[in-house]
Amino acid sequence: QVQLVESGGGVVQPGRSLRLSCAASGFTFSSYGMHWVRQAPGKGLEWVAVISYDGSNKYYADSVKGRFTISRDNSKNTLYLQMNSLRAEDTAVYYCAKVRGMVTNDAFDIWGQGTMVTVSS
Amino acid sequence: EIVLTQSPGTLSLSPGERATLSCRASQSVSSSYLAWYQQKPGQAPRLLIYGASSRATGIPDRFSGSGSGTDFTLTISRLEPEDFAVYYCQQYGSSPLTFGPGTKVDIK
Repeated sequence: QVQLVESGGGVVQPGRSLRLSCAASGFTFSSYGMHWVRQAPGKGLEWVAVISYDGSNKYYADSVKGRFTISRDNSKNTLYLQMNSLRAEDTAVYYCAKVRGMVTNDAFDIWGQGTMVTVSS
Repeated sequence: EIVLTQSPGTLSLSPGERATLSCRASQSVSSSYLAWYQQKPGQAPRLLIYGASSRATGIPDRFSGSGSGTDFTLTISRLEPEDFAVYYCQQYGSSPLTFGPGTKVDIK
C-alpha cells in the first residue's frame, strides 16, 4: 500500500546537525512533489519545506531557510531533510507528506508516521 | 504570507450533533486551494477535504467543505465517536503554505 516511513530523529545538542529520511513505497515517487511539515509538542502544524518531483525546485519556510536542506533520491524512493545549526525551537515531530496531484503545491494526501527531533543540551 | 484563523478554538458536542468549523484567511485563497485535515492524538494528520469542497478518497459523506475567497467551512453532519479530534485548515495556493491553529472537537 501507499506508505511513507520517516527515520533519523533523535536527541541532538543545539548547533549540531541531523538528517531525516523518508522512505516511500506503493506509488511512483518520482512523479510527486514532497513536503516536510513539523509539529512542536502540543502545538499546531508548521510547513517546513517542499521539493518538486524532479528535485529542481525547492522552497523553505523562513524559520529554517539557510539551515535546512531538502533533497530527494528518486532511484531510492527516498526524501531527505538535512538539518544544520539546530535550535531548541526546532524540537518537533517531523512528518514527510506526499502531494495529492501532479503539482508541487497541493493538498497532502499521504503522511508518514512522523519522527521526533529533540534539540537539547 | 496568508494567515489562517480557525474558530472556535474548541467545540464541545455530543455524538449525533452537527459540527460547523470555520477557517478565515487574511487574504483571498487562490483557486480555493484550501484543505482540511483531521488529527487524532499520536497520529499523523489525515486529509479530509481539498479544493475547499472535494472529499478525499475514503472520507465519509458526513464530512463536507464549502466556501471561497477568505471564508471556508468544514461541516460534520452527524458526529460519530471517531470524529472527536483536532481539525486543521491549510491553504496551498501561495507560498509559504500555511495552516490554521486548529479546532478541537471534544465530547460534551
